[in-house]
Amino acid sequence: SAVISQKPSRDICQRGTSLTIQCQVDSQVTMMFWYRQQPGQSLTLIATANQGSEATYESGFVIDKFPISRPNLTFSTLTVSNMSPEDSSIYLCSVTGTPALQQYFGPGTRLTVT
Amino acid sequence: DAKTTQPTSMDCAEGRAANLPCNHSTISGNEYVYWYRQIHSQGPQYIIHGLKNNETNEMASLIITEDRKSSTLILPHATLRDTAVYYCIVRSSDNYGQNFVFGPGTRLSVLP
Repeated sequence: SAVISQKPSRDICQRGTSLTIQCQVDSQVTMMFWYRQQPGQSLTLIATANQGSEATYESGFVIDKFPISRPNLTFSTLTVSNMSPEDSSIYLCSVTGTPALQQYFGPGTRLTVT
Repeated sequence: DAKTTQPTSMDCAEGRAANLPCNHSTISGNEYVYWYRQIHSQGPQYIIHGLKNNETNEMASLIITEDRKSSTLILPHATLRDTAVYYCIVRSSDNYGQNFVFGPGTRLSVLP
C-alpha cells in the first residue's frame, strides 16, 4: 500500500488569494490524481497529475484556476487560485497502487475561504 | 455516469452485521467491484474488492451474485467506528491508471 501525506491539513484563506497544497507519497507511483469534495457531496476528480507533462483536467476544471505540478514520481502540488467561498472544500490527493487494482487516498486538505 | 446504485442511508445496531447492498446491473465481464468508505473528515479507505467469487478480509466480506449484477458488503460485527459513507464502485481491470469514479454512496450509521 502507499502512504500519502498532504500539507496543509486545513487552512482558512481570504477570497482572492491562492493556496498551494502538497502531496507526498512514500513510494514512486505512476498515476496521481487530485479530487475535490464539496460540503456534503461525493468526490469529484479535478485532474490527473502527469509526471513530466501537463496535467489532464476534467470537464469544468481549468489549469488557470487549478495549476498542478508533478516534478517527480512521489510528489505533486495543487494550487487553488483566486479563491472564492465556492472553493471551500476538501481537496484530496490519490494514487493508484501496483498493480493498479487499488487507489489510495491522502487525508485531505480542508479549505475554507472567507 | 453512475454505474452503481446504493441506498442513500442505512442504520445498524452496534454489534450486529451491517449488510450494504449495491446494484451494478450493467457491469462488464472484466469489471471489478470495489468498496471504499469515508469516515467523517478523512480520505476514503479501501475495504475490499472482487470479480466473481465472494471475498473476505479482516474488515469485511463481499458477496457477489452469480450474475454479478449486484453485491453486498457485510461488516460482521459493526461498531460505532464503522459509521461512515460507503462507496460501491465498478472498475475495469483494463483501465490501468484510470481514476475511480465515486457516486453518492450509502451513509451508514451504527447506533449504540
